Amino acid sequence: QKEVEQNSGPLSVPEGAIASLNCTYSDRVSQSFFWYRQYSGKSPELIMSIYSNGDKEDGRFTAQLNKASQYVSLLIRDSQPSDSATYLCAVNSGQAGTALIFGKGTTLSVSS
Amino acid sequence: DVKVTQSSRYLVKRTGEKVFLECVQDMDHENMFWYRQDPGLGLRLIYFSYDVKMKEKGDIPEGYSVSREKKERFSLILESASTNQTSMYLCASSLVDRVYGYTFGSGTRLTVV
Repeated sequence: QKEVEQNSGPLSVPEGAIASLNCTYSDRVSQSFFWYRQYSGKSPELIMSIYSNGDKEDGRFTAQLNKASQYVSLLIRDSQPSDSATYLCAVNSGQAGTALIFGKGTTLSVSS
Repeated sequence: DVKVTQSSRYLVKRTGEKVFLECVQDMDHENMFWYRQDPGLGLRLIYFSYDVKMKEKGDIPEGYSVSREKKERFSLILESASTNQTSMYLCASSLVDRVYGYTFGSGTRLTVV
């Protein structure tokens, strides 16, 4: 069974700090990786995607991928209270006709 | 703005009723998905479709069926609703090349009493 693992949290950081969210996956042939943000009572919203080893930056967000270690992370710099949400990691196994595999999410709480 | 629209935000149904959840996307996406989300269990895939009239079972298809007669519309059917189907139901769509990820609808919170 292909799996995506995340610490459930909650991860608590003060406003202005860096929040680091981590994800590991089991399928070595996975090809594309996504981070979704989900506010309480709302649906998931795609915030980052990454396909190659290394870092990808978008504003305050940086996604990091290490395929050899089967590890994906999301860094949020200058964390704001509005970043408080659950962050879902999702992995595309690369097999045709299959769906993304989601982790259960990490809850982030940013205190002002 | 591209959209995935779910017909109802909140729904209350009685045990044994046949329930239809509708999802429409305006992005010309080939793939469409139905998930349910429950506390502590995360997103669980019920069914998905990669083409009109095509369907594939996900991880928890029991008690559900789907219909995709048109590319833009994907319906989830609860044949005989039960209380353990009380959940948040999320529809999503994507291009056939899934490197672009999914776009989710706003969700339907279904309560079966």
